Amino acid sequence: QKEVEQNSGPLSVPEGAIASLNCTYSDRGSQSFFWYRQYSGKSPELIMFIYSNGDKEDGRFTAQLNKASQYVSLLIRDSQPSDSATYLCAVNRDDKIIFGKGTRLHILP
Amino acid sequence: DAGITQSPRHKVTETGTPVTLRCHQTENHRYMYWYRQDPGHGLRLIHYSYGVKDTDKGEVSDGYSVSRSKTEDFLLTLESATSSQTSVYFCAISEDRSTGELFFGEGSRLTVL
Repeated sequence: QKEVEQNSGPLSVPEGAIASLNCTYSDRGSQSFFWYRQYSGKSPELIMFIYSNGDKEDGRFTAQLNKASQYVSLLIRDSQPSDSATYLCAVNRDDKIIFGKGTRLHILP
Repeated sequence: DAGITQSPRHKVTETGTPVTLRCHQTENHRYMYWYRQDPGHGLRLIHYSYGVKDTDKGEVSDGYSVSRSKTEDFLLTLESATSSQTSVYFCAISEDRSTGELFFGEGSRLTVL
């Protein structure tokens, strides 16, 4: 079992709708959790990080963490065409930042 | 933007030749990472460094070695390149591992023929 699992997609969402991206992790020792966005041909960039159970909101983005279920999600409200990208879930375990394979998100105009 | 540069940005080489990729930072960050990115596999950690001369293996370290003799430079060496090492290689730096905020270089595309 890979340490960080994501559905590869593509996930197609109409413009203005909510996009929901999901991630599970296997190691209960994972301490903190991250969402990165990567546009085609570009480098990844950090969108959100979360340490504690519950929700964390930043603008149109909300990260949700459930440590009991080993589950992290990212909600994008009012989706825009510029949100079309690959979203990478990552976990921090003992100085190592481990990434999932990423989910491709396509916002339909 | 974080001051991080990778060189070379593109390289084509032949199987069996040695290859060194360089990552240079001007941010004085403690942590440096090398990842490779391949279709269907996402980003996979090769090696990382938590200080000068302090390095450790990641998920896919076989066939790779690293060195960090100065804070600003982290070198990735393929002693004898193979076709399976054709990939895009990303260097990343981090000041605080608890936030997990990695700043990535622009990537180095390596093709092994």
